Amino acid sequence: EIVLTQSPATLSLSPGERVTLSCRASQSVSDNYLSWYQQKPGQAPRLLMSGASTRATGIPARFSGSGSGTDFTLAISSLQPEDFAVYYCQQNYNLPLTFGGGTKVEIK
Amino acid sequence: QVQLQESGPGQVQPSGTLSLTCGVSGGSLTSSNWWSWVRQPPGKGLEWIGEAYHRGNANYNPSLKSRVTISVDKSKNQFSLRLNSVTAADTAIYYCAKRGGGGWDQWGRGTLVTVSS
Repeated sequence: EIVLTQSPATLSLSPGERVTLSCRASQSVSDNYLSWYQQKPGQAPRLLMSGASTRATGIPARFSGSGSGTDFTLAISSLQPEDFAVYYCQQNYNLPLTFGGGTKVEIK
Repeated sequence: QVQLQESGPGQVQPSGTLSLTCGVSGGSLTSSNWWSWVRQPPGKGLEWIGEAYHRGNANYNPSLKSRVTISVDKSKNQFSLRLNSVTAADTAIYYCAKRGGGGWDQWGRGTLVTVSS
């Protein structure tokens, strides 16, 4: 099973700041099979990024993804009020499909 | 755009069977997608339960494999989850979701299932 470790667990930031979220895999993940999700309280997760760097439909350009192998990053160039949420990485490379533990981005 | 909606009991007795259905509208179950279930215990992270393809293939999380069945009903355009021998640890929000070539791009709103007598 591929274990995904996200860091940090919590980030306290102000609107307008740039944020970088990390996702590290216990073994190599083809970059076609790493996705990122955003989840707000009381809502289902929303797909942000697939293939490590391809934004899903309707996702603003301030979100970007990068990485390969075992290290992946989600960046938000300038935090907007609606971006405060929990972010999960997830791999579709190997069964079982697995998620990282999440990073909560909270308002400072 | 495909829309998904979970339905089923909100409470299940310990040792009983959890049964949920996901209705699919705006699209066909016979498209090239995997139809999945993901759960989230209150205040915790996401866990993949398993998925099924319309041709009958299914994949399950090994941690649940002995207790779970996911099936597709093409005639009703819905898919279902059955989880046997439930305990309090199975209390969670259960989401149905569609997975194409990338990640899960459509999700239901989720339904809370509590295991309690």
